[in-house]
Amino acid sequence: AQSVAQPEDQVNVAEGNPLTVKCTYSVSGNPYLFWYVQYPNRGLQFLLKYITGDNLVKGSYGFEAEFNKSQTSFHLKKPSALVSDSALYFCAVRGPDRGSTLGRLYFGRGTQLTVWP
Amino acid sequence: EAGVAQSPRYKIIEKRQSVAFWCNPISGHATLYWYQQILGQGPKLLIQFQNNGVVDDSQLPKDRFSAERLKGVDSTLKIQPAKLEDSAVYLCASSLRRLDGSAKNIQYFGAGTRLSVL
Repeated sequence: AQSVAQPEDQVNVAEGNPLTVKCTYSVSGNPYLFWYVQYPNRGLQFLLKYITGDNLVKGSYGFEAEFNKSQTSFHLKKPSALVSDSALYFCAVRGPDRGSTLGRLYFGRGTQLTVWP
Repeated sequence: EAGVAQSPRYKIIEKRQSVAFWCNPISGHATLYWYQQILGQGPKLLIQFQNNGVVDDSQLPKDRFSAERLKGVDSTLKIQPAKLEDSAVYLCASSLRRLDGSAKNIQYFGAGTRLSVL
């Protein structure tokens, strides 16, 4: 079965400090992993994805994520946080491209990131 | 490029009433998704269309929810009759193709419709 866990409901960090938002996954087959961000009253915006290749994936707005197969993790990172990064972050894994789940995205519960000045 | 359009943005109804949501995907996107996002949870897929055909509706409560995409472009999601537990944000998303063998397809989301059932 496919699933995603985001162990932290909330992450607080000071502006200028590095941030990490954690994600672990469970999937049958190759993992296709995504990060999305949601600002208040807005839809989800794509940040980055891991399909194959380098374990460090770079995305929008200076975010990056590190894929670790042995730990089944895909943590989101940014070297220097901005107040404007404050939002709700979702990790997602794509189901296998076969059967009834045919490429469905499974989302975690989300992590609220707050960056204070 | 215009994004995924959804309307209305907000809807308040009483239980047992019916409601409909509309979605217009990004031009050229063959795949359309409807998600339900309950407060404090991640989005959950309700139904997935490829052009005007349903490819996954396994999580759609079919006794009260229905969806259609008649001409393979815009789509409507209907709830009839609504229950209190249907209060959620209903998100529509679209992607270019369902599968290309490498799962590169990115889903682009609309702003959603926030439904409150009283």
